[in-house]
Amino acid sequence: DGGITQSPKYLFRKEGQNVTLSCEQNLNHDAMYWYRQDPGQGLRLIYYSQIVNDFQKGDIAEGYSVSREKKESFPLTVTSAQKNPTAFYLCASSPHLGGGDTQYFGPGTRLTVL
Amino acid sequence: GQNIDQPTEMTATEGAIVQINCTYQTSGFNGLFWYQQHAGEAPTFLSYNVLDGLEEKGRFSSFLSRSKGYSYLLLKELQMKDSASYLCAVVGNMLTFGGGTRLMVKP
Repeated sequence: DGGITQSPKYLFRKEGQNVTLSCEQNLNHDAMYWYRQDPGQGLRLIYYSQIVNDFQKGDIAEGYSVSREKKESFPLTVTSAQKNPTAFYLCASSPHLGGGDTQYFGPGTRLTVL
Repeated sequence: GQNIDQPTEMTATEGAIVQINCTYQTSGFNGLFWYQQHAGEAPTFLSYNVLDGLEEKGRFSSFLSRSKGYSYLLLKELQMKDSASYLCAVVGNMLTFGGGTRLMVKP
């Protein structure tokens, strides 16, 4: 079965700690994305990657970092510099970057900072 | 930049028809998506419009008018399971999401 997996589903972190959220896809998609969703709001783009070893900042990249060492994997690190990290984080992928390609989403990780 | 507006909440009755509107102002336009998102879950694809007109897919239809910067999602024969948020997303250089419309279907 092809799809996108994110782990863990729920994550708790103490203030001041970095944490890494996993995202893996076996859809053979070139493009991958990270979004943040706050309660009752839409999705905001954090980072995106068009191809391996390439990634670009989205609208709210401050306090986050990513890597794209493999086509299948696009982990997101939430650093201690992120002022308000508690949110629902969604990873997505599409065949190519932008255009009319449908983005397919993983199940999400809900991060809570204690 | 992109500016996308949707109503925050709507309520409708089981079996009825509901129309969820989305207006947008963009510097570039390459299409518009509608996604459905149940609480705490991932968004799932509903429709994609790139040309003006109505696209029908079962109980769901989506309409686009590029000249008016306007789209709507039409849900017919509402079911309780249709209670969810509906996200309008515009394709410019990247995909930009509206805030979503939370639909509550009542018996």
